[in-house]
Amino acid sequence: NAGVTQTPKFRILKIGQSMTLQCTQDMNHNYMYWYRQDPGMGLKLIYYSVGAGITDKGEVPNGYNVSRSTTEDFPLRLELAAPSQTSVYFCASIPLGGGYNEQFFGPGTRLTVL
Amino acid sequence: EDQVTQSPEALRLQEGESSSLNCSYTVSGLRGLFWYRQDPGKGPEFLFTLYSAGEEKEKERLKATLTKKESFLHITAPKPEDSATYLCAVMYSSASKIIFGSGTRLSIRP
Repeated sequence: NAGVTQTPKFRILKIGQSMTLQCTQDMNHNYMYWYRQDPGMGLKLIYYSVGAGITDKGEVPNGYNVSRSTTEDFPLRLELAAPSQTSVYFCASIPLGGGYNEQFFGPGTRLTVL
Repeated sequence: EDQVTQSPEALRLQEGESSSLNCSYTVSGLRGLFWYRQDPGKGPEFLFTLYSAGEEKEKERLKATLTKKESFLHITAPKPEDSATYLCAVMYSSASKIIFGSGTRLSIRP
């Protein structure tokens, strides 16, 4: 299993541009999450999904959109990028059912908006 | 308001000097509490999951405990390689939301 994969690893955007951060997991996990982490800070929940076709807002959803058409994929869309969205973005998944054990994290996407 | 608070923000210890990190939470319907370690430039690395008050888990020099309002991560006789940021997260509500605290930056001096 590849686990949780994220693309791209790095990206520089200009103010006002849009982009999609890709997240894919091959562990058949139902629950998936998007977080952002600013320098020296903890992770803030942007959006999450408990299954295909179901998404919900987290702590900091403004400026982002998500979709979940399959169990494997959970892309994060940035519309009209702003400097405040400069951050490291992590995608994570966790299996459904008793004994949650752990969230599996992707390697992250470092985004800079100039 | 649902939130997770970690203290202290930063902790500097001498090698071999034991201490504890705190994670307090105010959420409805706790379903699990997670501890992670994060090294600079890396993603979080899983340490423990605790599910109910009174539960304890150990791994090498680390021991995590859980009460109804908080969790402690005890580190015994730490070594410089234990230096990292330690993150606490909680899963709660029927929607399975998972939120994180801001972390404790631990530095162990040789």
